[in-house]
Amino acid sequence: LAKTTQPISMDSYEGQEVNITCSHNNIATNDYITWYQQFPSQGPRFIIQGYKTKVTNEVASLFIPADRKSSTLSLPRVSLSDTAVYYCLVGVSAASGGYNKLIFGAGTRLAVHP
Amino acid sequence: DVKVTQSSRYLVKRTGEKVFLECVQDMDHENMFWYRQDPGLGLRLIYFSYDVKMKEKGDIPEGYSVSREKKERFSLILESASTNQTSMYLCASSPSPGRGDQETQYFGPGTRLLVL
Repeated sequence: LAKTTQPISMDSYEGQEVNITCSHNNIATNDYITWYQQFPSQGPRFIIQGYKTKVTNEVASLFIPADRKSSTLSLPRVSLSDTAVYYCLVGVSAASGGYNKLIFGAGTRLAVHP
Repeated sequence: DVKVTQSSRYLVKRTGEKVFLECVQDMDHENMFWYRQDPGLGLRLIYFSYDVKMKEKGDIPEGYSVSREKKERFSLILESASTNQTSMYLCASSPSPGRGDQETQYFGPGTRLLVL
C-alpha cells in the first residue's frame, strides 16, 4: 500500500509562498497524487491532482519529480483564510470494482499568521 | 456543483442506542464512502460502496454496518452505540474513474456524534 508522509504542522505569514512536501515511496504506476484542504468542522475539499511533472490551477501548483516518490503542494501568497489542514493522498487500487480507495493520513496543519 | 448532504450536523445518543447516519449525493456518483475523523488520526475509512446494494469493508468496520438501497443514498448504522464511537463522521462520493483517471472524492459537511 502506498503510504504518505508529510509534516505535522507548518507556520507561515500572509503573502508568503508555502510549500508542503509529501513523500510516497511506494507509489504504484497507476496512482495519482491528490491534495485536499480541510477547515475546522467541514469536510475535506479537493485542491489539486496530478500524475507527473507540474499541474497548476487557480488555487495551487503541484510539483512531482520524475521518480514520483514525493510531491510538493505550492500555495502562492497565502492569506489568513488558507489556515487549514492539508492532506496528501495517493490512490490505492481496490481488489474489485475498478475504483481507487484513497487513504488519508494525519495531514499537515498550516497556520498563516498576520 | 456537487452536493453531498448529511442528515445531521450534530447528534447526541446514549450508549446502546441504534444510530442512523444518512448521506445523500446529487451527482449520480457510483462510489460512496463513510469515514470517521478523530484528532491526530486523520480520516479512517469505515465502509464504502461502488454500486447499489454493494458494500465493502474499509479499515475500521467493526461496530458499524451500511446500507445502499438507492444510488444517491448511503446510510451508516451503529447497531449499538458505544462511547468510543464518539467522533466526526464524514460521507463522500465520487464517480467511477475513467481509463487512466483517478476519481475525486466530494465530502459532506460531517456529523459530529456524541455518545454518552
